[in-house]
Amino acid sequence: GAGVSQSPSNKVTEKGKDVELRCDPISGHTALYWYRQSLGQGLEFLIYFQGNSAPDKSGLPSDRFSAERTGGSVSTLTIQRTQQEDSAVYLCASSPPGLAGGRLSTDTQYFGPGTRLTVL
Amino acid sequence: AQSVTQLDSHVSVSEGTPVLLRCNYSSSYSPSLFWYVQHPNKGLQLLLKYTSAATLVKGINGFEAEFKKSETSFHLTKPSAHMSDAAEYFCVVSAGRRALTFGSGTRLQVQP
Repeated sequence: GAGVSQSPSNKVTEKGKDVELRCDPISGHTALYWYRQSLGQGLEFLIYFQGNSAPDKSGLPSDRFSAERTGGSVSTLTIQRTQQEDSAVYLCASSPPGLAGGRLSTDTQYFGPGTRLTVL
Repeated sequence: AQSVTQLDSHVSVSEGTPVLLRCNYSSSYSPSLFWYVQHPNKGLQLLLKYTSAATLVKGINGFEAEFKKSETSFHLTKPSAHMSDAAEYFCVVSAGRRALTFGSGTRLQVQP
């Protein structure tokens, strides 16, 4: 079946512009995650959705970053007034419903190919 | 709190020789541990995961890892490296929360 898809694959923007990044999770996956991969910071968690709600937004670096998820499926990560330090690869992952013995942390996350954002 | 330390940023081996990528973790809870691989310009792929069922975990492409609680380690090994194994490898921990915490990565080079 289809994996996690992300669009666009590459995005070049000018400092100060807003950008929207899209993630289509695997069909039936209820949990969706956004991560950022940058040279200086490695791979960092941004936000997690369960259905349409976001119980963990602790990784969003500033109020310029927001995300939403509609219909329990597609998610959009929006970065307003982009800065050069926002340049990174933004990764989306999804995981299936259900708990393994009640342990949330055992769900495997399946990653998309990422969106490479370059802010000039 | 949870964290993971990958002890080597780069590892270089010859084709056909063993691979050892080292990882130590720290966790307040009983952790789940993963190894992911990232080939150039490709997405992250799960190699294997530990979820307390067995301490020796076998993954794809001949990789395996052993969970050692006393050493808080989860090292990744493979008996014989192949050229196609050249990639970046991430040790990952998840404990008590859904978000994954990634190590800084180890770049594996395989020499012919």
